[in-house]
Amino acid sequence: DAGVTQSPTHLIKTRGQQVTLRCSPKSGHDTVSWYQQALGQGPQFIFQYYEEEERQRGNFPDRFSGHQFPNYSSELNVNALLLGDSALYLCASSETDRGRSKETQYFGPGTRLLVL
Amino acid sequence: GNSVTQMEGPVTLSEEAFLTINCTYTATGYPSLFWYVQYPGEGLQLLLKATKADDKGSNKGFEATYRKETTSFHLEKGSVQVSDSAVYFCALSYWGTGNQFYFGTGTSLTVIP
Repeated sequence: DAGVTQSPTHLIKTRGQQVTLRCSPKSGHDTVSWYQQALGQGPQFIFQYYEEEERQRGNFPDRFSGHQFPNYSSELNVNALLLGDSALYLCASSETDRGRSKETQYFGPGTRLLVL
Repeated sequence: GNSVTQMEGPVTLSEEAFLTINCTYTATGYPSLFWYVQYPGEGLQLLLKATKADDKGSNKGFEATYRKETTSFHLEKGSVQVSDSAVYFCALSYWGTGNQFYFGTGTSLTVIP
């Protein structure tokens, strides 16, 4: 079982550019959540996708958007990058039970984004 | 609202010392509580969890007990090893918020031989 995978592992962009990060969930999982982890901080929830729709969203601007595909994989897009977007972006997957995400989430290794 | 407060680090211990990392939480309902560990350059790994009051989660010699009366979930280990050096995150997940996780800021542990 491959677990949660993310690509790329590292990325360098400049201010104003756009970036797309990718995530494949653990086998059998249908819910994907994205988190931003700034240096020295705990992860902050960005949003969650289930059945190809954004189900929940944290306190992040509209520059952060996402997508989930029929195979449950997901993308995180960030437009108009700011220096403050530099962080580790973590994807987590979970199963659902009667339409609700199960409590345990499994995290991928993350994509480290540096904005210059 | 929901939040998690962790003991600030960094923590440095000698091998075989006793470890406690304090964690307290605020929640609007009855959350599940978790400890995740992050090794250098890696993502988060689930260490242990507890889903209701008085439950004890345990794994790899680590333990934590869900204390509703003190809203705490302190992490303990009787004898740490060098390989336990990592950052530890306390988190809560609340069914009412679709199991969105709320994390503490993390506690860095370094174990020296």
